[in-house]
Amino acid sequence: DAKTTQPNSMESNEEEPVHLPCNHSTISGTDYIHWYRQLPSQGPEYVIHGLTSNVNNRMASLAIAEDRKSSTLILHRATLRDAAVYYCILRDVFYSGAGSYQLTFGKGTKLSVIP
Amino acid sequence: SAVISQKPSRDICQRGTSLTIQCQVDSQVTMMFWYRQQPGQSLTLIATANQGSEATYESGFVIDKFPISRPNLTFSTLTVSNMSPEDSSIYLCSVRDAGANVLTFGAGSRLTVL
Repeated sequence: DAKTTQPNSMESNEEEPVHLPCNHSTISGTDYIHWYRQLPSQGPEYVIHGLTSNVNNRMASLAIAEDRKSSTLILHRATLRDAAVYYCILRDVFYSGAGSYQLTFGKGTKLSVIP
Repeated sequence: SAVISQKPSRDICQRGTSLTIQCQVDSQVTMMFWYRQQPGQSLTLIATANQGSEATYESGFVIDKFPISRPNLTFSTLTVSNMSPEDSSIYLCSVRDAGANVLTFGAGSRLTVL
């Protein structure tokens, strides 16, 4: 899997938008960009993923650069519950075999939300 | 998405003993994964467990140390054998949601070895 680079930590004020960046300059044409987050004392949870176009769901938005070498996870209004480690992960859309759908986690960005 | 229950949620064990962690899923799944998260670190894949076949281990993990069972499509166990303090970690079970390119994780089993 191609490598991603994220800031170690970020801070945000509550109820303000948060933009979490991810660089992936070696991304291949078939890599999906996945975001997961891990709340304290919990397992990771899926947030959003996309290939080329920007994506929105109830949790967040994903903005993908035109050259796909970077992306940004956008939380529109941060709440205290959004304090977590956010992981940006690349996953090839083509996979074969029953055991090949693992994800490789980096260190992620620890988001702190200030009341 | 699938709901995963892991047992135990936490345990304190003595050096040299073994502990089996259970992972129960509320739906049938083909792919099941076991991850380890050492203190202050990110997640590392231990092995992939698919029903009806031997588990596939990642580099640095061996079956004698982390034997895995996958008796059916809703259940798996991971045993941490002959534990040492270096095995103190959170162990997480994960499944691939049917029809979706996403993983669902259990809450994890926090293991402390004294």
